[in-house]
Amino acid sequence: EPEVTQTPSHQVTQMGQEVILRCVPISNHLYFYWYRQILGQKVEFLVSFYNNEISEKSEIFDDQFSVERPDGSNFTLKIRSTKLEDSAMYFCASRDTNQETQYFGPGTRLLVL
Amino acid sequence: AQSVSQHNHHVILSEAASLELGCNYSYGGTVNLFWYVQYPGQHLQLLLKYFSGDPLVKGIKGFEAEFIKSKFSFNLRKPSVQWSDTAEYFCAVNEDYGQNFVFGPGTRLSVLP
Repeated sequence: EPEVTQTPSHQVTQMGQEVILRCVPISNHLYFYWYRQILGQKVEFLVSFYNNEISEKSEIFDDQFSVERPDGSNFTLKIRSTKLEDSAMYFCASRDTNQETQYFGPGTRLLVL
Repeated sequence: AQSVSQHNHHVILSEAASLELGCNYSYGGTVNLFWYVQYPGQHLQLLLKYFSGDPLVKGIKGFEAEFIKSKFSFNLRKPSVQWSDTAEYFCAVNEDYGQNFVFGPGTRLSVLP
C-alpha cells in the first residue's frame, strides 16, 4: 500500500538555523499539507498546497515558513530561522483529487536548541 | 473558528472492556468527520470517516463511530478493546471538500493486559 514518507525522522538544530523538512507524498496525489504537533498539544494545520501554490495557510505559517515542490516527487517545508518554539513533530499529508481523506506521513521530530 | 473537543485526555481500560471516546465539534454547517489513531512511534492512520449517509460508520480493527448531528458529536466506540489498541486517538473535522483538518487534542488510550 502506498505511503507518505518523510525525512529526516529526527532533526536537531540550533536556534536561528534554517531547516528543510522533506516529504514524498503518495505518487498520484495532488493536494499536500503540513501539520505540526507541539509536544503534549494537538495537531495543528500549517499550510495546504495545490497546483504549485499555497491554497490556504494558518496564522502559524508566517514569513519564516515556506513550502516548495522542487520536483515531481518531493514536497518540502522550510523554516528560515528556527525558534525554540518551532520544536515539534511535523507531519506531511497528501490527498487524492477525488477523495477527502488525507494520508499522513510518519512525521519529523524537530528539536531547536 | 471551528474547534474540536475530545472529552477525555487519558483513558485506561482493561482488555475486553468496552470503549467510547467522545468528540464534539463547533461548526454548524456540513462537515466531514474522521478518527485517526497514532500507535506509539508511528504515524497517524485513518480509522474511519463520515461524509454522508448512514450516521453509524464502521472502520478498521472493529471500531465504529456514530454521527449525531443534533449533538455535534462523533463518538468512537469499540465493544471489546485489546492491548494492541493502546494508542492516541484523534478526532478531526473539515468543513468543505479539500479544506484542512481541524484536530481535537487527542485522547490517549491505555489498555492493560
